[in-house]
Amino acid sequence: AQTVTQSQPEMSVQEAETVTLSCTYDTSESDYYLFWYKQPPSRQMILVIRQEAYKQQNATENRFSVNFQKAAKSFSLKISDSQLGDAAMYFCAYRTHSRFTNAGKSTFGDGTTLTVKP
Amino acid sequence: DTAVSQTPKYLVTQMGNDKSIKCEQNLGHDTMYWYKQDSKKFLKIMFSYNNKELIINETVPNRFSPKSPDKAHLNLHINSLELGDSAVYFCASARGAGNTIYFGEGSWLTVV
Repeated sequence: AQTVTQSQPEMSVQEAETVTLSCTYDTSESDYYLFWYKQPPSRQMILVIRQEAYKQQNATENRFSVNFQKAAKSFSLKISDSQLGDAAMYFCAYRTHSRFTNAGKSTFGDGTTLTVKP
Repeated sequence: DTAVSQTPKYLVTQMGNDKSIKCEQNLGHDTMYWYKQDSKKFLKIMFSYNNKELIINETVPNRFSPKSPDKAHLNLHINSLELGDSAVYFCASARGAGNTIYFGEGSWLTVV
């Protein structure tokens, strides 16, 4: 079974600075997808960024980028120029690609609470 | 239009009652999920349906019964509610395996 570990329950960053959230996972599959979701106090789950395991290039979305190390099974999220609106809980998630394996079951990490200081 | 909508958003009920949460998605996705997020904000999958067929059934008490009348709807019925059932329940959907999961806004269930 796949597992996702976020080793930092809480992180803080100064506004306009850069912060990196860690995520490691364990899987025996070679093809899968990785995600970062943001959950503000409203509890809405918002997709931040998505990475296909077969792509070597790291995904980027504006101020958000990932460092995907497939061999090390690491998938960290870097937030540049942090803004007050970035304060939220961030979840790392793994999703199997195979439709024959539990219909694309997703596994979520326990989350990292990010505080942004003005 | 909301892509994944669930009702009610807030629900306060007494122990022992039976309640249902409804979910609908208008994205044309073939897979739908129910997740539970507890007070510590841990997010755990409960059920997954693919084209109305139950695919994933995690270790969930049989007081919880999902029903999928069609692939756009996945409802969750809970019998004999207990205090520990208090949580935020998220409905979600995705197209196929591997694609992005889209979440509803969550249903906040409080059992008193």
